[in-house]
Amino acid sequence: AQKITQTQPGMFVQEKEAVTLDCTYDTSDPSYGLFWYKQPSSGEMIFLIYQGSYDQQNATEGRYSLNFQKARKSANLVISASQLGDSAMYFCAMSEANQAGTALIFGKGTTLSVSS
Amino acid sequence: NAGVTQTPKFRILKIGQSMTLQCAQDMNHNYMYWYRQDPGMGLKLIYYSVGAGITDKGEVPNGYNVSRSTTEDFPLRLELAAPSQTSVYFCASSYSWGAEINIQYFGAGTRLSVL
Repeated sequence: AQKITQTQPGMFVQEKEAVTLDCTYDTSDPSYGLFWYKQPSSGEMIFLIYQGSYDQQNATEGRYSLNFQKARKSANLVISASQLGDSAMYFCAMSEANQAGTALIFGKGTTLSVSS
Repeated sequence: NAGVTQTPKFRILKIGQSMTLQCAQDMNHNYMYWYRQDPGMGLKLIYYSVGAGITDKGEVPNGYNVSRSTTEDFPLRLELAAPSQTSVYFCASSYSWGAEINIQYFGAGTRLSVL
């Protein structure tokens, strides 16, 4: 079974609109972290936001927020006021306490295209 | 602000050749990782290290070796290159406080083709 599932291969949004990128996860570990990374066409991996499993409030970082629904095991990324520079691949990832080296397990990604 | 530095950025190898991908970080992170990313996919863990002198296998270690003699450096060695090792390789590091706060910072990647 996949640990991280991103069901949207591609998403399209217009500038200044908000967009939600979906992510569901599967773990039996009570302690874990959830992360979102952005990969622009240039190829680097850019950390955006993280949420700890014990955090009570949803994480926010500027225009990014993480909609964490623990019971549903979902960790959706919300980007408000989209910009052309947001066009990229977005990866959801998880780190588990019992995972080797607490390494990240990645989903397959969602390609976001922002148009003017 | 160097962060995580990977060299080279691009490389073409012939089948059977060997090479070392270099990775260095200047953030005094204890954990370091090597991932590979195949086209259209997420990253998969090759090897990781929790400190100097300590390394262990990840999900896809076959055909690779690593060493960690210092906190800063974590080279990845390909001994006998095969076409299946054509991929983009990322090195990452973190100061792990546990799974919940293990924010990993990535290098720019090495694009490797084996022909």
